[in-house]
Amino acid sequence: AQTVTQSQPEMSVQEAETVTLSCTYDTSESDYYLFWYKQPPSRQMILVIRQEAYKQQNATENRFSVNFQKAAKSFSLKISDSQLGDAAMYFCAYRSASDMRFGAGTRLTVKP
Amino acid sequence: DAGVTQSPTHLIKTRGQHVTLRCSPISGHKSVSWYQQVLGQGPQFIFQYYEKEERGRGNFPDRFSARQFPNYSSELNVNALLLGDSALYLCASRPHLGIGSSYEQYFGPGTRLTVT
Repeated sequence: AQTVTQSQPEMSVQEAETVTLSCTYDTSESDYYLFWYKQPPSRQMILVIRQEAYKQQNATENRFSVNFQKAAKSFSLKISDSQLGDAAMYFCAYRSASDMRFGAGTRLTVKP
Repeated sequence: DAGVTQSPTHLIKTRGQHVTLRCSPISGHKSVSWYQQVLGQGPQFIFQYYEKEERGRGNFPDRFSARQFPNYSSELNVNALLLGDSALYLCASRPHLGIGSSYEQYFGPGTRLTVT
């Protein structure tokens, strides 16, 4: 079965600094997507960034970028120039044609 | 366009009771998935429906059931509620099955169920 592991229950970053959230996954499938979702206290799950497994190039969305290491099954999220509004729970997720799994989440605190 | 909507927002039930949660997908989306998110944990996949048929089921007991209607809205039913069923129940919709980027799913705000 596919598993997603986030080893950092909590992280904090100073406003305007950079922080990296870690995620590893386990799968035997070759065709899948990886995601980072943000869940603020309002609880709406918001997609931050996605990565297709077949693409070697790391995805980037403005201040958010990933480091996708397929062989190592690692998928970290880097947030640059952190803003107060980035404070939230961040979930790493894996999706194949038949399954979707989430990690346990990392709570990110942004200090002014 | 309206996003995924869920009702009710909050719900309090007693052990042993039954509950029905409702989800309306984004217009044009034919697939609906349900997730359970216990406090402090990530969402756990419960069901996926596409064109009114069940296309996926997570590791949940038979007390959990769901259905999708011709207008693609969906209901999640939970019988014989247990204290451990207290959670945020999330619904997500997407246009079709498959894992292409055009098939991305969008989440609703969730229903907070408390079982006492």
